[in-house]
Order: sequence, then C-alpha cells, then structure tokens
Amino acid sequence: DAGVIQSPRHEVTEMGQEVTLRCKPISGHDYLFWYRQTMMRGLELLIYFNNNVPIDDSGMPEDRFSAKMPNASFSTLKIQPSEPRDSAVYFCASSRGLGHTGELFFGEGSRLTVL
Amino acid sequence: AQSVAQPEDQVNVAEGNPLTVKCTYSVSGNPYLFWYVQYPNRGLQFLLKYITGDNLVKGSYGFEAEFNKSQTSFHLKKPSALVSDSALYFCAVRGGTNAGKSTFGDGTTLTVKP
Repeated sequence: DAGVIQSPRHEVTEMGQEVTLRCKPISGHDYLFWYRQTMMRGLELLIYFNNNVPIDDSGMPEDRFSAKMPNASFSTLKIQPSEPRDSAVYFCASSRGLGHTGELFFGEGSRLTVL
Repeated sequence: AQSVAQPEDQVNVAEGNPLTVKCTYSVSGNPYLFWYVQYPNRGLQFLLKYITGDNLVKGSYGFEAEFNKSQTSFHLKKPSALVSDSALYFCAVRGGTNAGKSTFGDGTTLTVKP
C-alpha cells in the first residue's frame, strides 16, 4: 500500500487566502484524523472521522477551519480566511478500529506558511 | 477524558547505554497505549503498542515498553542506544469513553551522543 498521501507538501500563502489540504487514507481504514503540529502547542487533534462521519471536532480552532470526508478515500481540511497563526505542519492519519490493530498511520504532512 | 504526560522534554544518553523515555496516561476504562517516533520533516511512525496481555511489549528497532497499571505508566526503553535513535518520541493513548480518539503527549526529544 502507498500509505497515507497528503497534498500539498508545502504551501505558502498570504493572509486572507483560502487554503485546502488534502488527504488520501490507507484503503480499508475506517478512521481518519487531522492533527496540527507546532513548536508551541505540540501535536493537536483537530478532528477525526469514523466511516466518513465526523465524530469529534472539538479541536477545530474556530469557524475558519472546516473538514470534510465525502468518501472513504478522500478528506479535505480547509482554512478560510487563513491567518499567520495558522502556520504549522498539518498531518493526516488513518487507522483501523481498536478491535483490529489501532495504531495510526501518518502521512508526511503539509507544511503551511501564512505570510 | 484522555490525557498523556511526557515529563521530560529532552533525554540525553551516550551510545551503548540504556535509555528510558517516560510516559504516564489517564483514560477511563482499559487503555490502548502506543509509542511513535518522528524524524525531522517526516510524519510519525508507529513503534509499538500495548493492548492486553504481557506487560512488557517489544517493538521495532529493539525498543520495548513496560505497562504498569498501578502507576498508569508506559515507559519506553532500549537496552543499548544508537546514535540513529536520536529523534522525537511520542506516547499516545486511545480508548475509553471516546474510543476512536487518539491523544498524544507533548513529545520527548531523545539525543544519543557517540
């Protein structure tokens, strides 16, 4: 399997612009997670889905952030409008449930810089 | 609610010496515990996990971890450290009332000096 695929790997944008990050999970995984990593705040869970349904979005910072999972093989994280404090590395991860193996498989991340 | 604490931001050891990276957790119900490693500019990679059974679990690259229920700890260990083990290590917990959620600690930077 190709693993979790994220795009773009790097994005530089200006404040106020819309940013869309994309993720393709591993086939057969029914959980998908979006995390954000910064030096100051560490690794934060933003939202996770089970069977394409959002289960916990309590980590989404504010209304500027939204995430969708229209099908089992694709998810997006959108920031509109973007702000400099959104600069971070955004990771997508997928897994099977705890009844199977439970560990998360991470993509290589999308490094976002908002100027 | 779930939480993970990694009390040490940094751990420094000499190559060939044993290493320990500490982790304590809090979760309602039975814990599912994990260790991950992150190399610079890469995603996190799974190392090992405890689900049930033997309290000492073995994982990739010679790492092992000991689950201690009474101390709610899951410390990562290796008998003989290598310079190539230098990386950022994360402990994570999954399970409890929010079974799908996976919560990570703040990470511990391990530096192994030649």
